[in-house]
Amino acid sequence: NAGVTQTPKFQVLKTGQSMTLQCAQDMNHNSMYWYRQDPGMGLRLIYYSASEGTTDKGEVPNGYNVSRLNKREFSLRLESAAPSQTSVYFCASDSPNEKLFFGSGTQLSVL
Amino acid sequence: AQRVTQPEKLLSVFKGAPVELKCNYSYSGSPELFWYVQYSRQRLQLLLRHISRESIKGFTADLNKGETSFHLKKPFAQEEDSAMYYCALSGVGNTPLVFGKGTRLSVIA
Repeated sequence: NAGVTQTPKFQVLKTGQSMTLQCAQDMNHNSMYWYRQDPGMGLRLIYYSASEGTTDKGEVPNGYNVSRLNKREFSLRLESAAPSQTSVYFCASDSPNEKLFFGSGTQLSVL
Repeated sequence: AQRVTQPEKLLSVFKGAPVELKCNYSYSGSPELFWYVQYSRQRLQLLLRHISRESIKGFTADLNKGETSFHLKKPFAQEEDSAMYYCALSGVGNTPLVFGKGTRLSVIA
């Protein structure tokens, strides 16, 4: 099915560990985004990529890096995970119909 | 700066009662406003955008530039409306959406 695919769906890390959250879309969208969702904080933009080869910081970029590998894929990396990064992470792409088409999310816990 | 305010974290209403989820925004230009909904165990999805001026699942929202508001309304709440609702704003150009903190709607049978 066409859409935005995020992997993994769940992950538990220890403080200091690193990991990469993967995101891929098959709708030929140009722009892609990473948001985090926290209770009482809503959705906050971490990084976005307006087109292949470009990335920009959002509201809360500290502690994260991103790679726009190609038009389809936009990954989010945590180099040294911290408990404050416990969150649900959503990837999205820019859709003419929905403005943002979201993936199903990755639930990350950092112990 | 762009800002979206949803003053209610939680809104509980009885089935059949009217619903109004409040959204106020701050933006110096002409914004585009959206409502997104997240049902349990589903992805966030677009409910309404102000430029389309349509009713989806019985919900409507009117952009009031004078009051800088985009409240979401439904005359008769249904149990299946229980979800998390986010108001979002897009500024001029291809700027990323800015979201409010969300309102959880709980419809009680």
